Amino acid sequence: DTGVSQDPRHKITKRGQNVTFRCDPISEHNRLYWYRQTLGQGPEFLTYFQNEAQLEKSRLLSDRFSAERPKGSFSTLEIQRTEQGDSAMYLCASSFAASSYNEQFFGPGTRLTVL
Amino acid sequence: GQQLNQSPQSMFIQEGEDVSMNCTSSSIFNTWLWYKQDPGEGPVLLIALYKAGELTSNGRLTAQFGITRKDSFLNISASIPSDVGIYFCAGLNSNSGYALNFGKGTSLLVTP
Repeated sequence: DTGVSQDPRHKITKRGQNVTFRCDPISEHNRLYWYRQTLGQGPEFLTYFQNEAQLEKSRLLSDRFSAERPKGSFSTLEIQRTEQGDSAMYLCASSFAASSYNEQFFGPGTRLTVL
Repeated sequence: GQQLNQSPQSMFIQEGEDVSMNCTSSSIFNTWLWYKQDPGEGPVLLIALYKAGELTSNGRLTAQFGITRKDSFLNISASIPSDVGIYFCAGLNSNSGYALNFGKGTSLLVTP
């Protein structure tokens, strides 16, 4: 299967711990996006990369959050000193920048629960 | 980003009925996307729209890009039980960036 993959699918952590999530985009896609989704809401944009460059960050991305895409392939999203309010589904999506079409394809998500 | 107004919030219909839902924005978009999400999974892309007035079909699904560029509509014909899920609209204006703005979703329940 060549879709977007995310790891882990579920993460339970205690408040104050650091967590890191990984996303592997569709292989030929050079844009990668992170979104967060809470219960009863649509996904909310966090940040996106084109190749290894982080081009846009939302105000939702506090200084406890950091995302990287060091080689322009997979990406990691780290949350430091987690808070209960960080509990959410973290979604990764990818798209092909050279295309004039802006279709973003999502992975299955990582469900984070902060106790 | 802004949150789009999506309606209805939920629908409870019988198998075989047609379904209509819509999405409005206060901003102009040049891309409208419609997704379906099952519990515990990521959104799956259903239809993409790129031109004002465009009407696009994908099987029993038909979506339209509103002529004002501030709204979009999704219709599902002859619903079946596997249509159950949450449908999200999403819009973006690539002249402003590539962050998708989502609605809150329409929850669809279909009874056999």
